[in-house]
Amino acid sequence: AQSVTQLGSHVSVSEGALVLLRCNYSSSVPPYLFWYVQYPNQGLQLLLKYTSAATLVKGINGFEAEFKKSETSFHLTKPSAHMSDAAEYFCAVRAIKAAGNRLTFGGGTRVLVKP
Amino acid sequence: NAGVTQTPKFRVLKTGQSMTLLCAQDMNHEYMYWYRQDPGMGLRLIHYSVGEGTTAKGEVPDGYNVSRLKKQNFLLGLESAAPSQTSVYFCASSLQAGAGTDTQYFGPGTRLTVL
Repeated sequence: AQSVTQLGSHVSVSEGALVLLRCNYSSSVPPYLFWYVQYPNQGLQLLLKYTSAATLVKGINGFEAEFKKSETSFHLTKPSAHMSDAAEYFCAVRAIKAAGNRLTFGGGTRVLVKP
Repeated sequence: NAGVTQTPKFRVLKTGQSMTLLCAQDMNHEYMYWYRQDPGMGLRLIHYSVGEGTTAKGEVPDGYNVSRLKKQNFLLGLESAAPSQTSVYFCASSLQAGAGTDTQYFGPGTRLTVL
């Protein structure tokens, strides 16, 4: 079964600093990988996804993620944090032949941005 | 387009009561999903549907039932609510594109408290 680990349930960054959120998956076959963002009291919104094309994926709001097969990782970064980036971020995986295209989510990382 | 909507937004139940959560989507999506979100555990799949009249179990189906009588609606039922079912419930839908490209769109959530 697929599993996803997000290192750090809370991350605090200063405005303008680098944002780095870590995601590792467990699978013998590289799955499809996703990052979602959840703003307070809202549903989840897709940030970006890896679908076996380019290993560096660019998403919305200046975020990007790099797929590293050797490290089974898909870490999310943003060069310069903005106050509006305060939210919870979820990494998710989908097996290549997942029934119903189902996703498995990590535990989430809540980002606090300090002025 | 309203996207994915959920009714109600909030609900408080007593142990043993029953209720139904309604999810509706106006994007003509084939696939629909119900998740629960608990602190530190990310989102866990309860049930899903790959088309009208079909349902399947997810990761945590016990204590829940679902129905998909119309393509645009996906109902989640709790027959006898328990305090362990206190959670935020999210519905999602997707088009049924290829596994790599299929994106799930989420509703705003229902916050359920069982006393």
